[in-house]
Amino acid sequence: DSGVTQTPKHLITATGQRVTLRCSPRSGDLSVYWYQQSLDQGLQFLIQYYNGEERAKGNILERFSAQQFPDLHSELNLSSLELGDSALYFCASSASPGGQSPLHFGNGTRLTVT
Amino acid sequence: QQPVQSPQAVILREGEDAVINCSSSKALYSVHWYRQKHGEAPVFLMILLKGGEQKGHEKISASFNEKKQQSSLYLTASQLSYSGTYFCGTRSTGTASKLTFGTGTRLQVTL
Repeated sequence: DSGVTQTPKHLITATGQRVTLRCSPRSGDLSVYWYQQSLDQGLQFLIQYYNGEERAKGNILERFSAQQFPDLHSELNLSSLELGDSALYFCASSASPGGQSPLHFGNGTRLTVT
Repeated sequence: QQPVQSPQAVILREGEDAVINCSSSKALYSVHWYRQKHGEAPVFLMILLKGGEQKGHEKISASFNEKKQQSSLYLTASQLSYSGTYFCGTRSTGTASKLTFGTGTRLQVTL
C-alpha cells in the first residue's frame, strides 16, 4: 500500500460530460503529480503541485484543470469529455518537488468515456 | 522531452540477466526507475541523482552516467516476480521539476 488514495476507482461517463478525480497524498508528502496512461501506453505527465501551488505543467489539455487544496488533497477536473480521454489516471505524491525523492502512486482511476 | 528506453521488450528465462537502458537528449538531474505489473500502479525501485552513482536493491541495480545522460537498470538472476513493465523517469536540470517517463520496457520472465 503506497499510502496514496484515489477515488473513484472506476468512472463510466458519456462524451461531453465533466468528471472530477480525487487524490489524497501519502501522509507528509507535499507534492502531487497527475499522469495519464492510455491502454498499454506510457505515463504521460499532466501537472504537478507542491504545497498548493502549481509547480510544473505537461501536455495537459485546456479541457483539463487541477488544483491542490490546503489539506493537500488534489482534484483533477476533466470536461467536455471525448472518447480519447478514456484512460487510467494516476496520482502520485512525493516528499519534495524537485525529482530527488520517490514518487508513490495511487491505484489509479479508470475512466471510460462512451 | 521523453527519454528513450531500450529494448522495448525482452523475454528471459528464470535466472538470466537483463539490462534496460534509458537515455535523454537533455542534461539530467535525476533518474527514477519504476516497475508496473499489469493492471497495477507503478512501484518505485530506485532513484539516482547526478554524480554517476550506482545503486542496488537486492538483485536489481542501476547506474547513471551523467555525461552521457544515460542510465541502465541491471536485473541479475531474474525471478518470475520481475515480470512487468519497467519505466525510467527523468528530471532535467534547469527546468521545472516535472518527471517525464519513457515509453517502458516490457519484461517477461519464464520458467
